[in-house]
Amino acid sequence: DGGITQSPKYLFRKEGQNVTLSCEQNLNHDAMYWYRQDPGQGLRLIYYSQIVNDFQKGDIAEGYSVSREKKESFPLTVTSAQKNPTAFYLCASSTGANEKLFFGSGTQLSVL
Amino acid sequence: GENVGLHLPTLSVQEGDNSIINCAYSNSASDYFIWYKQESGKGPQFIIDIRSNMDKRQGQRVTVLLNKTVKHLSLQIAATQPGDSAVYFCAEKEGADGLTFGKGTHLIIQP
Repeated sequence: DGGITQSPKYLFRKEGQNVTLSCEQNLNHDAMYWYRQDPGQGLRLIYYSQIVNDFQKGDIAEGYSVSREKKESFPLTVTSAQKNPTAFYLCASSTGANEKLFFGSGTQLSVL
Repeated sequence: GENVGLHLPTLSVQEGDNSIINCAYSNSASDYFIWYKQESGKGPQFIIDIRSNMDKRQGQRVTVLLNKTVKHLSLQIAATQPGDSAVYFCAEKEGADGLTFGKGTHLIIQP
């Protein structure tokens, strides 16, 4: 089945640790996105990529890093510089820049 | 800055009734609007979208209405079912800009 797969479903981070969230899509979409969702908040854009080997910062990129070495993959690293990382992280993809987004099932990141 | 928001954070309706979820937007230049449904612990699912050259668009049991004069968007769900319980988000964008999401309305279905 075509879709977006995020893993793991749940992730725990120790203080000072970097963690990486996986996002893979087999929809042949050019654009991929990472959003952060906090309780009672709208989705906030962390990073996005419209093409392989290129990505741009979103509204809340500080403390995060990404790579886009393959069209299918857009991993997100939450670095130790992100002081409040607990949130639900959503990956999405679209056929073109900022067209209708298709979302993955999310990763809940918590701090130990 | 420009915002997308929702009038009601929680909406409770009886099973079988129609639901109307509202969304106000402030960017008069927005030309594309979209509704998502998000169940607990899951990612948002696309419901329906509409472009600014339309006032109404219908899907299966859902209708989106766009009133550009008052910058208002609504999602109507006919014959609400228990499976409709979820948080519903509206989002808007202008041209090639990214989507701006509202905070969501929690729809609760009463048996």
